[in-house]
Amino acid sequence: KAGVTQTPRYLIKTRGQQVTLSCSPISGHRSVSWYQQTPGQGLQFLFEYFSETQRNKGNFPGRFSGRQFSNSRSEMNVSTLELGDSALYLCASNLGDHSQGGYTFGSGTRLTVV
Amino acid sequence: GEDVEQSLFLSVREGDSSVINCTYTDSSSTYLYWYKQEPGAGLQLLTYIFSNMDMKQDQRLTVLLNKKDKHLSLRIADTQTGDSAIYFCAESIYQTGANNLFFGTGTRLTVIP
Repeated sequence: KAGVTQTPRYLIKTRGQQVTLSCSPISGHRSVSWYQQTPGQGLQFLFEYFSETQRNKGNFPGRFSGRQFSNSRSEMNVSTLELGDSALYLCASNLGDHSQGGYTFGSGTRLTVV
Repeated sequence: GEDVEQSLFLSVREGDSSVINCTYTDSSSTYLYWYKQEPGAGLQLLTYIFSNMDMKQDQRLTVLLNKKDKHLSLRIADTQTGDSAIYFCAESIYQTGANNLFFGTGTRLTVIP
C-alpha cells in the first residue's frame, strides 16, 4: 500500500509570507501528527489530528495551525513566516486507536525561509 | 516530563556490533520505538517494543528495555555501511486522548569500512 505522502518536498518562502503543507496518510490511518525537525531543537511535536479534530498540540505559537479533512488528509499552515521556521516538516500517520503499529512517517517537506 | 536522551555519535567498524543507548524519564510510556533517518529522508520505523517487554529481536536488531532504569538500547549485529544513519529513540505517551511520540536527540552512527 502507498506510504505517507507529503507535498511539496521543497519550498522556499520569504519572511512574512505564509505556507501550506500537505500530508496524505496511509489508507485506513485516521491519525496524522506533524513534527518540526531542526538541527538545534531536534524533532518537536506540533499537533495531532484524528477524525478532523485536533487532539493534541505541542508548544508552538499560534502562527502554526492545521486541519484534517474527512478523507484523513491533513494540512498545516504557517503564517507570517520567520527565518527560524526553516526546517524539515514531517508528518506521521497511525491508526489512531490505542493499538500501536508504529507511526509511519513521510519523507518530509523542507521549508527554507529567506 | 518527556525527556529522552541519547549520545550524539557512535562509530563502529563494519562487521562489528553497534549498541545505541537511550534513556527516558516518563514511566507512563506505553511503547518505545527506534527510527532510522538517512540524509534527506524521513524517519523509517525499525522496531518497537511494548513497555511490559524486556527484549525483542528482529533479524539483526535486538532491543533491550530496562524499565526500572528507564533505559532502552538497540543492538545492530554485523553492522554494514548501509546502516550509517541517525537513529532516534522515541517514547509514546498517552495524553489527552491520544498517544504522542517524544523523540531523543538522535545518535549519528558512522560505520567505518
